[in-house]
Amino acid sequence: EAAVTQSPRNKVAVTGGKVTLSCNQTNNHNNMYWYRQDTGHGLRLIHYSYGAGSTEKGDIPDGYKASRPSQENFSLILELATPSQTSVYFCASGGGHQDTQYFGPGTRLLVL
Amino acid sequence: QQKVQQSPESLIVPEGGMASLNCTSSDRNVDYFWWYRQHSGKSPKMLMSIFSNGEKEEGRFTVHLNKASLHTSLHIRDSQPSDSALYLCAASDSNNRIFFGDGTQLVVKP
Repeated sequence: EAAVTQSPRNKVAVTGGKVTLSCNQTNNHNNMYWYRQDTGHGLRLIHYSYGAGSTEKGDIPDGYKASRPSQENFSLILELATPSQTSVYFCASGGGHQDTQYFGPGTRLLVL
Repeated sequence: QQKVQQSPESLIVPEGGMASLNCTSSDRNVDYFWWYRQHSGKSPKMLMSIFSNGEKEEGRFTVHLNKASLHTSLHIRDSQPSDSALYLCAASDSNNRIFFGDGTQLVVKP
């Protein structure tokens, strides 16, 4: 099965601080995605990428940046973290729109 | 406006019963539908996908798709307590965009 890993798994940050969430996939998938999920709700797309060097804005990109330095790695950056960004963040990878998305285990972020 | 709507928001069924979940997309560009299952504290995992009109069965799970109305449904027969989870419907288009609904929380009571 496709393997997607995320780090850190848990993070406590202070308001105004910088947070970087990392994602790695070992399946040579072209597409990678960052979602956030708030309690009891579905997934909201923050940023996605079609390949190394590309990043695209999703549905809720404000306050977030993304970086795809290689096929395997995709990072989500919160330059100035706010309490409203407290959430669970999932990274996913997939080959295309007809292919399954494989999700990482998630990162729980608490911004105080 | 959310592009994928799911109903009901929550559903309680007795063990051994039938669970029926619904999903509709408002985006006519989508052409592939997915059902993901997410157990509490875990990440979503793909359960079934469908892109042709009609139905598809895998064990106790059956999905239906009506492409004209962009409506899909998931039916779980002989529901088990281990089926209790958040069920997420997703739709994707040829631009590699995938849209998720807010999910249906299913509880199967022993």
